[in-house]
Amino acid sequence: GENVEQHPSTLSVQEGDSAVIKCTYSDSASNYFPWYKQELGKRPQLIIDIRSNVGEKKDQRIAVTLNKTAKHFSLHITETQPEDSAVYFCAAFLANYGQNFVFGPGTRLSVLP
Amino acid sequence: KAGVTQTPRYLIKTRGQQVTLSCSPISGHRSVSWYQQTPGQGLQFLFEYFSETQRNKGNFPGRFSGRQFSNSRSEMNVSTLELGDSALYLCASSLQSGGGNEQFFGPGTRLTVL
Repeated sequence: GENVEQHPSTLSVQEGDSAVIKCTYSDSASNYFPWYKQELGKRPQLIIDIRSNVGEKKDQRIAVTLNKTAKHFSLHITETQPEDSAVYFCAAFLANYGQNFVFGPGTRLSVLP
Repeated sequence: KAGVTQTPRYLIKTRGQQVTLSCSPISGHRSVSWYQQTPGQGLQFLFEYFSETQRNKGNFPGRFSGRQFSNSRSEMNVSTLELGDSALYLCASSLQSGGGNEQFFGPGTRLTVL
């Protein structure tokens, strides 16, 4: 079936460094790609999203890029802080297969002080 | 505006029993989706309800069912519980159905099956 791959599964960075998480999707008709942050014991929270008619979107230290041709999108976090430590999930809305969201397996980001 | 709420927050059941979980969406949101989250399988889509109708369904057995009421509140039922049903069940609400609509998650119901 349709799936979303996400890499890396774990990522450790020093405080102040940048972190990049990459996702690939298989449904070429996917048109909406949100990113969620889930802290331990808490609910997933949307941190940024991008639609298929946009190549890049930025919100302060967080940015997302989308390459429709290659069918991949990436999350970029600059000037990381310890409070950025969490599990990050990417997702793609499948327009052709059941009209639902498929999530990547998650990336555990640890920001070391 | 109040966020998405789920009840109960924790449940312990035994194999063979059934369980009903409840989700109250953000006021004005008409779409409610349910997800199962486990360490091994991640977040998996169960089904979506919009205007009291099931719009989409994931790849789960028929033991998993749901419904939505006229006030958009949704319930999810799991019958004949199995050990593998132990998971965090999350619901998410959005204004409308379909892509491009931001989903807001509830805190989840942690179900443990013994």
